[in-house]
Amino acid sequence: EIVMTQSPATLSVSPGERATLSCRASQSLSSNLAWYQQKPGQAPRLLIYGASTRATGIPARFSGSGSGTEFTLTISSLQSEDFAVYYCQQYNNWPPLYTFGQGTKLEIK
Amino acid sequence: EVQLVESGGGLIQPGGSLRLSCAASGFTVSSNYMSWVRQAPGKGLEWVSVIYRGGSTYYADSVKGRFTISRDNSKNTLYLQMNSLRAEDTAVYYCARGPYSSSWSGFDPWGQGTLVTVSS
Repeated sequence: EIVMTQSPATLSVSPGERATLSCRASQSLSSNLAWYQQKPGQAPRLLIYGASTRATGIPARFSGSGSGTEFTLTISSLQSEDFAVYYCQQYNNWPPLYTFGQGTKLEIK
Repeated sequence: EVQLVESGGGLIQPGGSLRLSCAASGFTVSSNYMSWVRQAPGKGLEWVSVIYRGGSTYYADSVKGRFTISRDNSKNTLYLQMNSLRAEDTAVYYCARGPYSSSWSGFDPWGQGTLVTVSS
């Protein structure tokens, strides 16, 4: 089973600054990685798939990078609505065990 | 509009059974991979199960042998039959399209979730 490890667990950043979130896989994923945003009481929302492709309607300040085992989600110029929990997820074809990272809470500094 | 709406959650005693439903609109369930994901109170996301377009099904080890994913093409609805429920199954259950639609593209959209509480 592929284990996904996100860091840091909590990230404190001021509005207008840049946030960089990391996700590491225990084995190579190629580019089969997604990022999700979840706000309290809401379902997760897809931000990035294929490691770097923004989902429909996602602002350009969200960007994803990486391949293999190391991935990064960058949010440039943080807006108030961006403070939330972020999860990475691998969706390698086989075996079909689409594991999530434990999440990074992005909070206002 | 592409949308998923879950139902069927509630309070159930340990050892009991429950069936969750996920009604889709704006797309065809049988033409997509469809998944269930759960989130225990205050915890992270845990993938539970997937059904492929061809009907193959796969499960997380934590639910294998107890949960069954299925779909009704005539109703465009996804199901999760949960048997032998345990306290640790308590969670909000989400259905989601994915991770494959017309390409490998993650889970999108998600339903609003339905809460399952296993307690005596």
